[in-house]
Amino acid sequence: GQNIDQPTEMTATEGAIVQINCTYQTSGFNGLFWYQQHAGEAPTFLSYNVLDGLEEKGRFSSFLSRSKGYSYLLLKELQMKDSASYLCAVRDSNYQLIWGAGTKLIIKP
Amino acid sequence: IAGITQAPTSQILAAGRRMTLRCTQDMRHNAMYWYRQDLGLGLRLIHYSNTAGTTGKGEVPDGYSVSRANTDDFPLTLASAVPSQTSVYFCASSEETGGNQPQHFGDGTRLSIL
Repeated sequence: GQNIDQPTEMTATEGAIVQINCTYQTSGFNGLFWYQQHAGEAPTFLSYNVLDGLEEKGRFSSFLSRSKGYSYLLLKELQMKDSASYLCAVRDSNYQLIWGAGTKLIIKP
Repeated sequence: IAGITQAPTSQILAAGRRMTLRCTQDMRHNAMYWYRQDLGLGLRLIHYSNTAGTTGKGEVPDGYSVSRANTDDFPLTLASAVPSQTSVYFCASSEETGGNQPQHFGDGTRLSIL
């Protein structure tokens, strides 16, 4: 079967750095996406990785290791508005997205 | 403002009733998707359409049907609603199915079946 694993919840302090991990086992791999979802709102796109390595976008970076079936999202200089759920999704061999259950990130002052 | 519009925003429905959730996008995206999101679970794909005139079944299609008569509209129909279909439903679209094109989401429809 196909499986995406993420921690259910994480807590971090404003101004700090947090790393959210995602491991996956899917039938084929055609890219990995990270989305942010605030409570009661729609998911919004953050990043895309298809090759191994780090993609940096401002305060957010995403890393991929295809051989390990592993990705992480790194958030720097945390702000209160970063409190949200972070969703990892893998595009499988049928070009459909398989979604993790999401990691709820709580930012404390 | 370009994007995806879903209607209604929320609905309470009696079991056994028929319901159509509407989804319209104005970005001229070829691919569209319907997901349901339940607490503790990832988004699950119900149905998708790679281009106007075609549809496909996702992970959880039973009890749902879709149509794609044109590029912009992708309605989802519950023929006879059951309580297990209580969920938040998201419509999404992307330029194409593959490549680095992300999916863009509507604001969702919160559906309660009693």
